[in-house]
Amino acid sequence: EAGVTQFPSHSVIEKGQTVTLRCDPISGHDNLYWYRRVMGKEIKFLLHFVKESKQDESGMPNNRFLAERTGGTYSTLKVQPAELEDSGVYFCASSLTYNEQFFGPGTRLTVL
Amino acid sequence: ILNVEQSPQSLHVQEGDSTNFTCSFPSSNFYALHWYRWETAKSPEALFVMTLNGDEKKKGRISATLNTKEGYSYLYIKGSQPEDSATYLCAYISGTYKYIFGTGTRLKVLA
Repeated sequence: EAGVTQFPSHSVIEKGQTVTLRCDPISGHDNLYWYRRVMGKEIKFLLHFVKESKQDESGMPNNRFLAERTGGTYSTLKVQPAELEDSGVYFCASSLTYNEQFFGPGTRLTVL
Repeated sequence: ILNVEQSPQSLHVQEGDSTNFTCSFPSSNFYALHWYRWETAKSPEALFVMTLNGDEKKKGRISATLNTKEGYSYLYIKGSQPEDSATYLCAYISGTYKYIFGTGTRLKVLA
């Protein structure tokens, strides 16, 4: 069974540009989560989808971040415009129940 | 604000040494504690899911204990090998099923 996949694995952009990250969860997992790890700090929750609905977006840092999950399958996280402090590793996770989340390999975003 | 702390932040050990790290978490509203092993550019790999006070879990040379009353968990690695080098993350899961991660312990095993 395929795990959670994320694309791209690495993105380097300049401040002010737009970047879109994609996450494909494990097939059949209704729950999809986005997290971010800034260098040297803890992985922080951004938001949680149940199917196509945003269940909890309390961790989204500001309105430059937009997450979507049309059709309840894959999800995208857009950062527009990107700022230097947005650099980090963006993880996606999915789960069938709330018990255990399965993580993707992350997208490393570098904003110059 | 709920805090999960891990210590040490990083450590280097010689091949064959045994080592352990700590994860401290809030003792209230506890649902579960997860340990993950993470190598850069790979998916964090789940090691243990711990739910009951006094739980002890083992997977090969790695084991973990849980004390929910005092809010800590230990991860032990016996006879460290270079392939054990990774960042070890713990995540506290609250009664509302939210994951709160520690900053991780970065382990480097020297051959």
